[in-house]
Amino acid sequence: GENVEQHPSTLSVQEGDSAVIKCTYSDSASNYFPWYKQELGKRPQLIIDIRSNVGEKKDQRIAVTLNKTAKHFSLHITETQPEDSAVYFCAAKVRIQGAQKLVFGQGTRLTINP
Amino acid sequence: EPEVTQTPSHQVTQMGQEVILRCVPISNHLYFYWYRQILGQKVEFLVSFYNNEISEKSEIFDDQFSVERPDGSNFTLKIRSTKLEDSAMYFCASSVGAVRTGELFFGEGSRLTVL
Repeated sequence: GENVEQHPSTLSVQEGDSAVIKCTYSDSASNYFPWYKQELGKRPQLIIDIRSNVGEKKDQRIAVTLNKTAKHFSLHITETQPEDSAVYFCAAKVRIQGAQKLVFGQGTRLTINP
Repeated sequence: EPEVTQTPSHQVTQMGQEVILRCVPISNHLYFYWYRQILGQKVEFLVSFYNNEISEKSEIFDDQFSVERPDGSNFTLKIRSTKLEDSAMYFCASSVGAVRTGELFFGEGSRLTVL
């Protein structure tokens, strides 16, 4: 079945340093990979996504890379700030019998230390 | 900015009671979803709904669960006889197209506590 593995489960970095979160997926047919940021008690918010015809995408301090051969994708946050502290979820779109859904990773709790 | 709205924000119920969670998706969206998140865990897919029928459901979505779009705006999740393990945050989501072509917009969530 479809599965998305995410590492690490917790990550603590100094303000200004970079943070990297990695995910692997099992369904080779997946072609859409969003990243969500979830602050405590709030809804997941899409921060960046990548489609399978693109290897890397950047939006200001956030970038995502995709390696379809290895079936993994990563989130990179540079120049981290205290407001980046949150739980981050990767996801992969899975298509089964015409329907489509997102399968989420387990989440990474990112803490930015001032 | 249009957003998905959910009610109630928090519901406490006794085990065995029926619960209905309500959602108003974004008006021009065509695909609707329910996800749940047990405290401290990942977001899990429950069901997707398109063209007035379920397009896919997970193994979590057993006979105790049902969804309905009773009118042109609401999308509801019903749990017929709640169990303790149903305690979770339930997120409604919608998208313009299928996930591939449309971003998934989440509501603020409904926290269900089963005692």
